[in-house]
Amino acid sequence: EVPLVESGGDLIQPGGSLRLSCSVSGFSVSSNYMTWVRQTPGKGLEWVSVLYSGETILTADSVKGRFTVSRDSSKNILYLHMNSLRNEDTGIYFCARFFATTWGQGEYYFDYWGQGTQVTVSS
Amino acid sequence: TVVTQEPSLSVSPGGTVTLTCALNSGSVSPDFYPSWYQQTPGQSPRTLIYNANNRFSGVPDRFSGSILGDKAALTITGAQADDQSDYYCVLYMGGGIPVFGGGTRLTVL
Repeated sequence: EVPLVESGGDLIQPGGSLRLSCSVSGFSVSSNYMTWVRQTPGKGLEWVSVLYSGETILTADSVKGRFTVSRDSSKNILYLHMNSLRNEDTGIYFCARFFATTWGQGEYYFDYWGQGTQVTVSS
Repeated sequence: TVVTQEPSLSVSPGGTVTLTCALNSGSVSPDFYPSWYQQTPGQSPRTLIYNANNRFSGVPDRFSGSILGDKAALTITGAQADDQSDYYCVLYMGGGIPVFGGGTRLTVL
């Protein structure tokens, strides 16, 4: 069973809004560092946002003020709310768990990835 | 914060190649919990190495991680054709923020 499944990607005009979903199975979105990572055309991977420790939300400077993340704990779903979309937001958006523990020497790394959902911003 | 990787490298089949991951503000140490990921076109990333030198579950032992001087490093020993991919390092800056390197495109030829 694939633990992370994204959906919601679409073709959207500049200035528009979109909500991506990440359905999680096998672990709780509420007790993990849940992130969004994107890959824009011809470029590498870029961390977008993280939700952890209850309600702590951090976002990359490139999307700050436009994107935010939330979750539905009852459905075990992570969301990415995208507003004021720009052409440069076009890309594949991945949901990923960032495994984080301070036990022992500590461990911090991405361990589970979704298959990604395509967002295209164009007029 | 800028994390820098070689844009491209090549290796012969059966050969050994080392990819590196540098930090513009100083040395990479285990305190940044370096991790490495492989991505082939059209696929989601695959976790290879975490905490600088720990192989993730199911990763072949031809992949190894280390700290070399002031950089994190990923070494592929006995490269195979299907190792041709993009490779990304990630450094953890604390406070919940991971930073990706620009990626290295590895060609096996």
